[in-house]
Amino acid sequence: QSVLTQPPSASGTPGQRVTISCSGSSSNIGSNYVYWYQQLPGTAPKLLISRNNQRPSGVPDRFSGSKSGTSASLAISGLRSEDEADYYCAAWDDSLSGYVFGTGTKVTVL
Amino acid sequence: EVQLVESGGGLVQPGGSLRLSCAASGFTFSSYNINWVRQAPGKGLEWVSYISRSSSTIYYADSVKGRFTISRDNAKNSLYLQMNSLRAEDTAVYYCAREDGYNPGDIWGQGTMVTVSS
Repeated sequence: QSVLTQPPSASGTPGQRVTISCSGSSSNIGSNYVYWYQQLPGTAPKLLISRNNQRPSGVPDRFSGSKSGTSASLAISGLRSEDEADYYCAAWDDSLSGYVFGTGTKVTVL
Repeated sequence: EVQLVESGGGLVQPGGSLRLSCAASGFTFSSYNINWVRQAPGKGLEWVSYISRSSSTIYYADSVKGRFTISRDNAKNSLYLQMNSLRAEDTAVYYCAREDGYNPGDIWGQGTMVTVSS
């Protein structure tokens, strides 16, 4: 059961900016780092954003993350066809003593 | 090449057991914490379990607590997930994912499919 809430879908045309929200609580996003993962069809997830807003090596700067209070967001600027994927947020939850994932957002490039 | 390779998945009857393995290569396995994460068919990601570098700290999701056991053998560069009393809702692709203390899931395996059905 997902503890973090994301919109089920988001879409945009090539070159547009798309934003995905992730809503949690004080025990997870409110007190711990947020991570974002990209899962292309039929593949394993890939770490996209670490510690709220850090891009691992190799991740294009078109991807950016932010956090405020108990919510976080992922922005994709200059949308490209290869960005079509499922995106998940995640955070450690102090009450559950475990990681919690978001419900996932499917991004479609129109 | 840095990689994680899961194995051990398959078809098992409800109430049965299965042991998953995750073989690490290309990095110092003993320096990293590891997580198991699963994904039911057509569903989202669900964290299952965590084990620290020295096995001193272990956590489980409530959904598997008391039924699953995570362990590791640093000498063999391997991680394990012993799954007992399996239920239909445990059907999923199981991934092992490396964590360096700052980046959970910086490296993922390709996953192994577990199907619980009679």
